[in-house]
Amino acid sequence: DADVTQTPRNRITKTGKRIMLECSQTKGHDRMYWYRQDPGLGLRLIYYSFDVKDINKGEISDGYSVSRQAQAKFSLSLESAIPNQTALYFCATSDSSDYGYTFGSGTRLTVV
Amino acid sequence: GQNIDQPTEMTATEGAIVQINCTYQTSGFNGLFWYQQHAGEAPTFLSYNVLDGLEEKGRFSSFLSRSKGYSYLLLKELQMKDSASYLCAVRDGWGGGATNKLIFGTGTLLAVQP
Repeated sequence: DADVTQTPRNRITKTGKRIMLECSQTKGHDRMYWYRQDPGLGLRLIYYSFDVKDINKGEISDGYSVSRQAQAKFSLSLESAIPNQTALYFCATSDSSDYGYTFGSGTRLTVV
Repeated sequence: GQNIDQPTEMTATEGAIVQINCTYQTSGFNGLFWYQQHAGEAPTFLSYNVLDGLEEKGRFSSFLSRSKGYSYLLLKELQMKDSASYLCAVRDGWGGGATNKLIFGTGTLLAVQP
Protein backbone atom coordinates (compact mmCIF):
# COMPACT_ATOMS: atom_id res chain seq x y z
CA ASP A 1 0.00 0.00 0.00
CA ALA A 2 1.10 3.52 -0.75
CA ASP A 3 2.32 5.70 2.11
CA VAL A 4 0.09 8.58 0.98
CA THR A 5 -3.20 7.67 -0.70
CA GLN A 6 -5.40 10.08 -2.59
CA THR A 7 -8.94 9.40 -3.73
CA PRO A 8 -10.32 9.68 -6.31
CA ARG A 9 -7.52 9.42 -8.90
CA ASN A 10 -9.62 11.07 -11.57
CA ARG A 11 -12.83 13.03 -11.35
CA ILE A 12 -14.99 14.97 -13.76
CA THR A 13 -17.57 17.24 -12.18
CA LYS A 14 -19.93 19.99 -13.27
CA THR A 15 -19.67 23.67 -12.49
CA GLY A 16 -21.35 24.50 -9.19
CA LYS A 17 -21.06 21.03 -7.69
CA ARG A 18 -19.44 20.38 -4.32
CA ILE A 19 -16.58 17.93 -4.42
CA MET A 20 -14.23 16.48 -1.82
CA LEU A 21 -10.76 15.12 -2.43
CA GLU A 22 -9.41 12.83 0.26
CA CYS A 23 -5.92 12.09 1.47
CA SER A 24 -4.79 9.52 4.01
CA GLN A 25 -1.28 8.58 5.11
CA THR A 26 0.46 5.79 6.95
CA LYS A 27 3.75 7.66 7.43
CA GLY A 28 2.81 8.90 10.90
CA HIS A 29 3.71 12.43 9.78
CA ASP A 30 2.14 15.35 11.59
CA ARG A 31 2.25 17.79 8.68
CA MET A 32 0.00 17.58 5.65
CA TYR A 33 -0.36 19.80 2.59
CA TRP A 34 -2.60 20.29 -0.43
CA TYR A 35 -1.06 21.62 -3.67
CA ARG A 36 -2.46 22.14 -7.12
CA GLN A 37 -0.37 21.90 -10.25
CA ASP A 38 -1.11 23.70 -13.50
CA PRO A 39 1.03 23.70 -16.66
CA GLY A 40 3.58 26.50 -16.48
CA LEU A 41 2.66 27.44 -12.91
CA GLY A 42 4.25 24.66 -10.94
CA LEU A 43 3.01 23.44 -7.58
CA ARG A 44 1.07 26.03 -5.60
CA LEU A 45 0.10 25.60 -1.96
CA ILE A 46 -3.62 25.65 -1.17
CA TYR A 47 -3.75 24.73 2.53
CA TYR A 48 -1.48 23.11 5.07
CA SER A 49 -1.87 21.64 8.55
CA PHE A 50 0.83 21.01 11.13
CA ASP A 51 -1.45 19.02 13.43
CA VAL A 52 -5.14 18.24 13.88
CA LYS A 53 -5.90 21.60 15.49
CA ASP A 54 -3.74 23.67 13.15
CA ILE A 55 -5.02 24.67 9.70
CA ASN A 56 -3.40 27.38 7.58
CA LYS A 57 -4.14 29.00 4.27
CA GLY A 58 -1.60 28.79 1.50
CA GLU A 59 -1.13 31.16 -1.42
CA ILE A 60 -4.29 30.15 -3.33
CA SER A 61 -6.93 29.14 -0.76
CA ASP A 62 -9.91 31.06 -2.22
CA GLY A 63 -12.65 28.67 -3.30
CA TYR A 64 -11.26 25.80 -1.22
CA SER A 65 -11.72 24.51 2.32
CA VAL A 66 -10.06 21.69 4.25
CA SER A 67 -10.71 19.37 7.14
CA ARG A 68 -8.12 17.53 9.22
CA GLN A 69 -10.21 14.69 10.58
CA ALA A 70 -7.31 12.87 12.22
CA GLN A 71 -3.54 12.94 12.11
CA ALA A 72 -3.70 10.59 9.14
CA LYS A 73 -6.48 12.27 7.12
CA PHE A 74 -6.67 15.62 5.38
CA SER A 75 -9.54 16.42 2.99
CA LEU A 76 -9.85 19.22 0.45
CA SER A 77 -13.27 20.52 -0.56
CA LEU A 78 -14.39 22.66 -3.45
CA GLU A 79 -17.70 24.11 -2.26
CA SER A 80 -18.85 25.21 -5.70
CA ALA A 81 -16.51 23.99 -8.41
CA ILE A 82 -15.59 26.27 -11.32
CA PRO A 83 -13.72 25.44 -14.54
CA ASN A 84 -10.51 27.22 -13.54
CA GLN A 85 -10.17 24.74 -10.68
CA THR A 86 -9.41 22.09 -13.29
CA ALA A 87 -5.93 20.92 -12.29
CA LEU A 88 -3.84 18.10 -10.87
CA TYR A 89 -4.08 18.08 -7.09
CA PHE A 90 -1.43 16.62 -4.81
CA CYS A 91 -1.49 15.83 -1.14
CA ALA A 92 1.87 15.68 0.64
CA THR A 93 3.13 14.89 4.12
CA SER A 94 6.23 15.65 6.14
CA ASP A 95 7.50 15.74 9.68
CA SER A 96 10.00 18.01 11.35
CA SER A 97 12.84 15.54 10.90
CA ASP A 98 12.17 14.61 7.27
CA TYR A 99 14.22 15.95 4.44
CA GLY A 100 11.18 16.81 2.37
CA TYR A 101 7.73 15.74 1.36
CA THR A 102 6.12 12.43 0.50
CA PHE A 103 3.53 12.97 -2.21
CA GLY A 104 0.36 11.11 -3.01
CA SER A 105 -0.26 9.95 -6.57
CA GLY A 106 -2.45 12.94 -7.35
CA THR A 107 -6.07 13.59 -8.28
CA ARG A 108 -6.79 14.84 -11.77
CA LEU A 109 -9.89 17.03 -11.46
CA THR A 110 -11.81 18.38 -14.45
CA VAL A 111 -14.62 20.87 -13.95
CA VAL A 112 -16.91 21.21 -16.98
CA GLY B 1 8.54 38.01 -1.87
CA GLN B 2 9.30 34.45 -2.80
CA ASN B 3 10.86 33.75 -6.18
CA ILE B 4 12.40 30.59 -7.58
CA ASP B 5 13.62 30.58 -11.17
CA GLN B 6 14.63 27.69 -13.37
CA PRO B 7 14.65 27.23 -17.15
CA THR B 8 11.39 26.06 -18.64
CA GLU B 9 12.79 23.45 -21.00
CA MET B 10 16.08 21.76 -21.84
CA THR B 11 17.15 19.15 -24.36
CA ALA B 12 20.10 16.79 -24.05
CA THR B 13 21.47 13.67 -25.68
CA GLU B 14 21.49 10.19 -24.26
CA GLY B 15 24.80 9.47 -22.52
CA ALA B 16 25.63 13.15 -22.07
CA ILE B 17 25.72 15.39 -18.99
CA VAL B 18 23.17 18.12 -18.30
CA GLN B 19 23.08 20.85 -15.67
CA ILE B 20 19.78 22.37 -14.56
CA ASN B 21 20.13 25.68 -12.73
CA CYS B 22 17.92 27.18 -10.06
CA THR B 23 18.12 30.62 -8.49
CA TYR B 24 16.04 31.67 -5.52
CA GLN B 25 15.07 34.67 -3.45
CA THR B 26 13.03 33.71 -0.39
CA SER B 27 12.30 35.32 2.95
CA GLY B 28 13.92 32.41 4.77
CA PHE B 29 16.04 29.41 3.91
CA ASN B 30 16.19 26.00 5.51
CA GLY B 31 17.27 23.73 2.69
CA LEU B 32 16.91 23.23 -1.06
CA PHE B 33 15.37 20.17 -2.66
CA TRP B 34 15.27 18.69 -6.13
CA TYR B 35 12.41 16.48 -7.23
CA GLN B 36 11.84 14.51 -10.42
CA GLN B 37 8.35 14.32 -11.86
CA HIS B 38 7.26 12.23 -14.83
CA ALA B 39 4.17 13.43 -16.66
CA GLY B 40 0.99 12.86 -14.67
CA GLU B 41 2.84 11.32 -11.76
CA ALA B 42 3.82 12.48 -8.28
CA PRO B 43 7.13 14.25 -7.68
CA THR B 44 9.81 11.99 -6.23
CA PHE B 45 12.71 13.17 -4.05
CA LEU B 46 16.13 13.38 -5.69
CA SER B 47 18.39 15.45 -3.45
CA TYR B 48 18.67 17.83 -0.53
CA ASN B 49 21.24 20.55 0.22
CA VAL B 50 21.30 22.71 3.32
CA LEU B 51 25.02 23.58 3.41
CA ASP B 52 27.12 24.98 0.59
CA GLY B 53 28.78 22.47 -1.67
CA LEU B 54 28.16 19.42 -3.76
CA GLU B 55 26.08 16.38 -2.81
CA GLU B 56 26.56 13.33 -5.01
CA LYS B 57 24.17 10.43 -5.37
CA GLY B 58 25.02 8.06 -8.17
CA ARG B 59 24.34 9.71 -11.52
CA PHE B 60 22.80 12.76 -9.82
CA SER B 61 24.62 15.58 -8.02
CA SER B 62 23.31 18.79 -6.56
CA PHE B 63 25.21 21.93 -5.68
CA LEU B 64 24.26 24.84 -3.42
CA SER B 65 25.65 28.33 -2.90
CA ARG B 66 23.59 30.09 -0.21
CA SER B 67 25.39 33.41 -0.64
CA LYS B 68 24.46 33.46 -4.33
CA GLY B 69 20.98 31.99 -3.92
CA TYR B 70 21.93 29.38 -6.50
CA SER B 71 21.72 25.66 -6.98
CA TYR B 72 22.16 23.23 -9.82
CA LEU B 73 21.25 19.63 -10.46
CA LEU B 74 23.76 17.67 -12.55
CA LEU B 75 22.66 14.54 -14.33
CA LYS B 76 25.38 12.30 -15.79
CA GLU B 77 25.21 9.44 -18.30
CA LEU B 78 21.75 10.51 -19.36
CA GLN B 79 19.20 7.82 -20.08
CA MET B 80 15.93 8.07 -21.96
CA LYS B 81 14.05 7.45 -18.69
CA ASP B 82 15.52 10.72 -17.33
CA SER B 83 13.09 12.61 -19.58
CA ALA B 84 10.92 14.33 -16.96
CA SER B 85 10.33 17.61 -15.18
CA TYR B 86 12.83 18.59 -12.50
CA LEU B 87 11.48 20.75 -9.69
CA CYS B 88 13.60 22.99 -7.50
CA ALA B 89 12.06 23.74 -4.10
CA VAL B 90 13.21 25.86 -1.16
CA ARG B 91 12.15 25.23 2.42
CA ASP B 92 11.47 28.64 3.80
CA GLY B 93 12.54 28.20 7.42
CA TRP B 94 10.89 29.63 10.49
CA GLY B 95 10.03 33.12 11.64
CA GLY B 96 8.97 36.31 9.91
CA GLY B 97 5.88 34.57 8.56
CA ALA B 98 7.80 31.57 7.22
CA THR B 99 6.68 28.17 8.46
CA ASN B 100 9.22 25.68 7.19
CA LYS B 101 7.22 24.65 4.13
CA LEU B 102 8.41 24.02 0.58
CA ILE B 103 8.11 26.65 -2.13
CA PHE B 104 8.42 25.21 -5.63
CA GLY B 105 9.79 26.59 -8.86
CA THR B 106 7.78 25.99 -12.01
CA GLY B 107 10.00 23.09 -13.08
CA THR B 108 12.36 22.35 -15.96
CA LEU B 109 11.12 19.91 -18.59
CA LEU B 110 14.09 17.83 -19.76
CA ALA B 111 13.89 15.94 -23.02
CA VAL B 112 16.57 13.30 -23.58
CA GLN B 113 17.08 12.48 -27.24
CA PRO B 114 18.74 9.37 -28.71
